[in-house]
Amino acid sequence: SQTIHQWPATLVQPVGSPLSLECTVEGTSNPNLYWYRQAAGRGLQLLFYSVGIGQISSEVPQNLSASRPQDRQFILSSKKLLLSDSGFYLCAWSGGTRDYEQYFGPGTRLTVT
Amino acid sequence: AQTVTQSQPEMSVQEAETVTLSCTYDTSENNYYLFWYKQPPSRQMILVIRQEAYKQQNATENRFSVNFQKAAKSFSLKISDSQLGDTAMYFCAFFLTGNQFYFGTGTSLTVIP
Repeated sequence: SQTIHQWPATLVQPVGSPLSLECTVEGTSNPNLYWYRQAAGRGLQLLFYSVGIGQISSEVPQNLSASRPQDRQFILSSKKLLLSDSGFYLCAWSGGTRDYEQYFGPGTRLTVT
Repeated sequence: AQTVTQSQPEMSVQEAETVTLSCTYDTSENNYYLFWYKQPPSRQMILVIRQEAYKQQNATENRFSVNFQKAAKSFSLKISDSQLGDTAMYFCAFFLTGNQFYFGTGTSLTVIP
């Protein structure tokens, strides 16, 4: 069966510091991968999605970036965090014979102070 | 462009009663998928139910069922025999093959004992 991991689970970082959030998927190959942000009490905002290694599409221009160095690894980064980057970050995957379904990781709660 | 609208930010229901959450969407496409996701306080996103647009029969998963009205572009979720564990944020989502997923802003459901 497929599983998706995210780490860290929680993170507190000062303004201006760098960020690296990691997401990995097990049990499938060539998944579509997604990064979402969820502000407190709000819906999901799609940040990036990737259909393959090195292929990244950005939905929201901002100080965040994403990379996919391996087939099942998706990384969200920032060189300098802003207060507005605080939120709950969710990684998700879809693919295989049921690419119309999306499955989510446990999320990372980021607080920028 | 595809949009998903959830017009009920908050709802409550007595334990063991039935509640219906509303969702409407907008698309010019004919083949797509609709979903309801549940996000409990743990914030793990869980797929509750899926509906293929080409199917006329409404999807059912145990106590969860949908009322899919394609012409009206409506996709409501009915929860029967509500349980305390149903307390969560519920997101309606839309997927167009070869495209991305679109999420509504969510409905916060509280089950009252």
